[in-house]
Amino acid sequence: DQQVKQNSPSLSVQEGRISILNCDYTNSMFDYFLWYKKYPAEGPTFLISISSIKDKNEDGRFTVFLNKSAKHLSLHIVPSQPGDSAVYFCAASARGRDDKIIFGKGTRLHILP
Amino acid sequence: DGGITQSPKYLFRKEGQNVTLSCEQNLNHDAMYWYRQDPGQGLRLIYYSQIVNDFQKGDIAEGYSVSREKKESFPLTVTSAQKNPTAFYLCASSMKVWRETQYFGPGTRLLVL
Repeated sequence: DQQVKQNSPSLSVQEGRISILNCDYTNSMFDYFLWYKKYPAEGPTFLISISSIKDKNEDGRFTVFLNKSAKHLSLHIVPSQPGDSAVYFCAASARGRDDKIIFGKGTRLHILP
Repeated sequence: DGGITQSPKYLFRKEGQNVTLSCEQNLNHDAMYWYRQDPGQGLRLIYYSQIVNDFQKGDIAEGYSVSREKKESFPLTVTSAQKNPTAFYLCASSMKVWRETQYFGPGTRLLVL
């Protein structure tokens, strides 16, 4: 049973435009969400996180939006750059219960020139 | 220069052989983790350790073993009982288990001959 779902395996976006990566979750106990970025043959690197007490968190070109009622979060990248081409993993945990972090399957983002 | 190192980058295993993947961190983190990534899949947890001399099974621990004799080191042994060991293995660490962002190593790709 997949608790964190990234339904789009891949996404192509023109350089300079906005990239929107989506993530849905089923466990209402999740209260902390993270996005990781991964290049081929490398380990994931932490990108941005959001606690359930917020609905938006911004860091430079990256913004994460959380819609608790819909159990949905999204990562916006504006403007998209060639170096953003990577696999993006959504992850979630129930920090108050010390539960493990659950990762989605990832979305491969291609930035087109 | 703090970080997590994994060695080797590529590892070949013969049928029936045990192999050990190394993971070292100098971040002074208490918690360490091992994940497995298969093509088109998210990160699946194999084992984790909250503190020295303690470790817990993750979702797919069968065919694997670990030790945590030192805070800095968390080696993973892939035993001959693991039926499908070909994968990309990622080690991670965090200050405390599950409550902090995890930092990942560069990964080891294991191939069975």
